[in-house]
Amino acid sequence: DAKTTQPTSMDCAEGRAANLPCNHSTISGNEYVYWYRQIHSQGPQYIIHGLKNNETNEMASLIITEDRKSSTLILPHATLRDTAVYYCIVMTGANNLFFGTGTRLTVIP
Amino acid sequence: GAVVSQHPSWVICKSGTSVKIECRSLDFQATTMFWYRQFPKQSLMLMATSNEGSKATYEQGVEKDKFLINHASLTLSTLTVTSAHPEDSSFYICSASSGQENTDTQYFGPGTRLTVL
Repeated sequence: DAKTTQPTSMDCAEGRAANLPCNHSTISGNEYVYWYRQIHSQGPQYIIHGLKNNETNEMASLIITEDRKSSTLILPHATLRDTAVYYCIVMTGANNLFFGTGTRLTVIP
Repeated sequence: GAVVSQHPSWVICKSGTSVKIECRSLDFQATTMFWYRQFPKQSLMLMATSNEGSKATYEQGVEKDKFLINHASLTLSTLTVTSAHPEDSSFYICSASSGQENTDTQYFGPGTRLTVL
């Protein structure tokens, strides 16, 4: 599976949009981009995933570049409860979820 | 939808005893379940993958005789840590996927914190 690169940490003001980038330059054609987050001492929470097209759900939007080598997770109006470690993962099928170090997002009041 | 539960949420046991952790998919049938382990300040590490009715596949370095996995039904998988020792203290997390979507999204349980004295 392709490896991903994410910033170690980011801050975001409460109420503003949080834009979390992810580089996956070695992604192959059949690999999906998944985003999960983990709030302290809890299991990871699924956020969103996509293959080529941009995706939006009730939690977030996922913007994937045309060459698929990078993506951005957007939380449109960050709240304090969005403070968590966000993981960007690329994978084929269900077996290979490799959790890297992720991005620690801190939402500031 | 896609809710996964774990029981217990935390457990403290004496060294040498065995501990069983249950993972249940509450509103879907999980053809595949996964067990992860997370040490403090580290990321999740996959321990094993199990499919209903078959033997689990363990990741390299994970002792199958120490971490017994049973996936007897489409909604329940169990992980038994046998002869637990202090170094087995960790946060154990399961996930489940239905296998019905092309991408087989994994949904995670809340985790079980094991402390071995």
